[in-house]
Amino acid sequence: QKEVEQNSGPLSVPEGAIASLNCTYSDRGSQSFFWYRQYSGKSPELIMFIYSNGDKEDGRFTAQLNKASQYVSLLIRDSQPSDSATYLCAVKTWTDSWGKFQFGAGTQVVVTP
Amino acid sequence: GAVVSQHPSWVICKSGTSVKIECRSLDFQATTMFWYRQFPKQSLMLMATSNEGSKATYEQGVEKDKFLINHASLTLSTLTVTSAHPEDSSFYICSAREQGQIYEQYFGPGTRLTVT
Repeated sequence: QKEVEQNSGPLSVPEGAIASLNCTYSDRGSQSFFWYRQYSGKSPELIMFIYSNGDKEDGRFTAQLNKASQYVSLLIRDSQPSDSATYLCAVKTWTDSWGKFQFGAGTQVVVTP
Repeated sequence: GAVVSQHPSWVICKSGTSVKIECRSLDFQATTMFWYRQFPKQSLMLMATSNEGSKATYEQGVEKDKFLINHASLTLSTLTVTSAHPEDSSFYICSAREQGQIYEQYFGPGTRLTVT
């Protein structure tokens, strides 16, 4: 079983609609959760992180965390063509003093005009 | 702020040669740097974690004698791929964590290595 799982997609979303991405993780000791956006051929860029149960909003993005169910999701409101990218979910566990990030394989999002 | 650079951005080398990739934090001190590898359409796989002034900690399955990591200063870490083979062709990305930070890590732009 993979430690961090995401649907690979592609997730096709009409422009202006809401894109909903899900991520599940296996390690109950995980403490903080991150969403990154990665354009083809580029390195990831941080969208937001969340470490408490519930919702966290940042502009058009909302992260939702449910530790009991071991899932974290990302909503993208008013999707734009520039949001077309692969979205990586990352989970951080403090297995050692510096922590370790485990990444999901990513969900490809395609926003269609 | 929080800019991480990598050099080179891409490199082509012949099988059997060694390649060094540099990762620099430009405007902050990075006590911890991470090295990842990403194959096409796959996720980032952590290769190793390095702390300034100490030996790197390698993930299971990563050959430490093949992937030499040096974190000699608070702003520079290097990854040397020794005796490279075509299967080492990949996208190598470093990230750095600023001293005192526990959540953020800043990614470099990546280095695309092609071994012929």
